[in-house]
Amino acid sequence: EAAVTQSPRNKVTVTGGNVTLSCRQTNSHNYMYWYRQDTGHGLRLIHYSYGAGNLQIGDVPDGYKATRTTQEDFFLLLELASPSQTSLYFCASSAPGYQDTQYFGPGTRLLVL
Amino acid sequence: GDSVIQMQGQVTLSENDFLFINCTYSTTGYPTLFWYVQYSGEGPQLLLQVTTANNKGSSRGFEATYDKGTTSFHLQKTSVQEIDSAVYYCAMRVSGSWQLIFGSGTQLTVMP
Repeated sequence: EAAVTQSPRNKVTVTGGNVTLSCRQTNSHNYMYWYRQDTGHGLRLIHYSYGAGNLQIGDVPDGYKATRTTQEDFFLLLELASPSQTSLYFCASSAPGYQDTQYFGPGTRLLVL
Repeated sequence: GDSVIQMQGQVTLSENDFLFINCTYSTTGYPTLFWYVQYSGEGPQLLLQVTTANNKGSSRGFEATYDKGTTSFHLQKTSVQEIDSAVYYCAMRVSGSWQLIFGSGTQLTVMP
């Protein structure tokens, strides 16, 4: 069974704060993704990676950095958090085949005051 | 650009009612279409995949169909149960890309 874990599960910070969201997958998948989920917008892709050291820009990258340190670990960094980044963040992983399923983690709820 | 439109934001049904959710897509490429389900407190998980070759998929009592003529795809279930209450997302992957493009989601509430 695919396994994607995220930490923390909940985070509160203030405007201008520095936040790092962590994701680990134990599926040996090449691809990892960061999404944000907002009412009325569904899931929107922030960044993704197809291997350690690789980073690709998604559809809503502004204000976010990401880093893929290993095959298993993918981090999302908010260096100057703003209230507009209050959201539910999901990490996902997939193998590189074109029909392969994305497996999602349980999500991190971030509140920026 | 490529896009997926999911108009039904909320659907409320009673147990044993018929469920029908519709999405439309737009792409110049060759799409593979998906339905994901998200239960409360969890991440989305794959429910069904429909390729333009087979036009249809089924899982857990749900059936997905695809209509190339109207560039739409549908999720249906003959008799919903309370445990089916969740958010349902349609999604599309275009050939040559690993990116999934999601619709905005349909919150299904099934009353006992």
